Amino acid sequence: AQSVTQLGSHVSVSEGALVLLRCNYSSSVPPYLFWYVQYPNQGLQLLLKYTSAATLVKGINGFEAEFKKSETSFHLTKPSAHMSDAAEYFCAVSLFSSNTGKLIFGQGTTLQVKP
Amino acid sequence: DSGVTQTPKHLITATGQRVTLRCSPRSGDLSVYWYQQSLDQGLQFLIQYYNGEERAKGNILERFSAQQFPDLHSELNLSSLELGDSALYFCASSVEAGAGETQYFGPGTRLLVL
Repeated sequence: AQSVTQLGSHVSVSEGALVLLRCNYSSSVPPYLFWYVQYPNQGLQLLLKYTSAATLVKGINGFEAEFKKSETSFHLTKPSAHMSDAAEYFCAVSLFSSNTGKLIFGQGTTLQVKP
Repeated sequence: DSGVTQTPKHLITATGQRVTLRCSPRSGDLSVYWYQQSLDQGLQFLIQYYNGEERAKGNILERFSAQQFPDLHSELNLSSLELGDSALYFCASSVEAGAGETQYFGPGTRLLVL
């Protein structure tokens, strides 16, 4: 069965510092991987997704993630944090070979950005 | 704005009651998904419809049901409500039904069961 683990339910960084949010997946077949962001009282917005075209995926707002099959990881990074990046971030997976796009989400990581 | 609309935004009801949540997908999207977000369970997939037909089912309780209508909007019906059903319910839509499709999420319906 597929699953997603996000290491660290809460991450705090200073403005301008590197953001690193960790995601590891478990899947018996190649997965599609996604990162979504949820701002307070809003729905989820797609940051980026991995579809096997390239291992380094660039997303919106300066975020990127690298798919590492050997480490079963898809960590999200941003070189320099902005105050506006404070939100909850979710990693999600769907099975490459499945006929359904249902997403399995991790537990989420809350990013705090300190001035 | 994702283009996915959900009504109502907030819903307060009592245990044992029945409610209906409504979702309108983005124009052109054929697939609709329902997710539940709660503090203890996180974000969980409930059910997916594609062009009016059920495509996949997740951890959806028997007290819950859904359907997708010919105009592609979807409704999630929650009955015999319990305190534990209090959660944020999201609808998402995508063009097609398969894996890898980008899902666009609505703003959610916050349900409070008292």
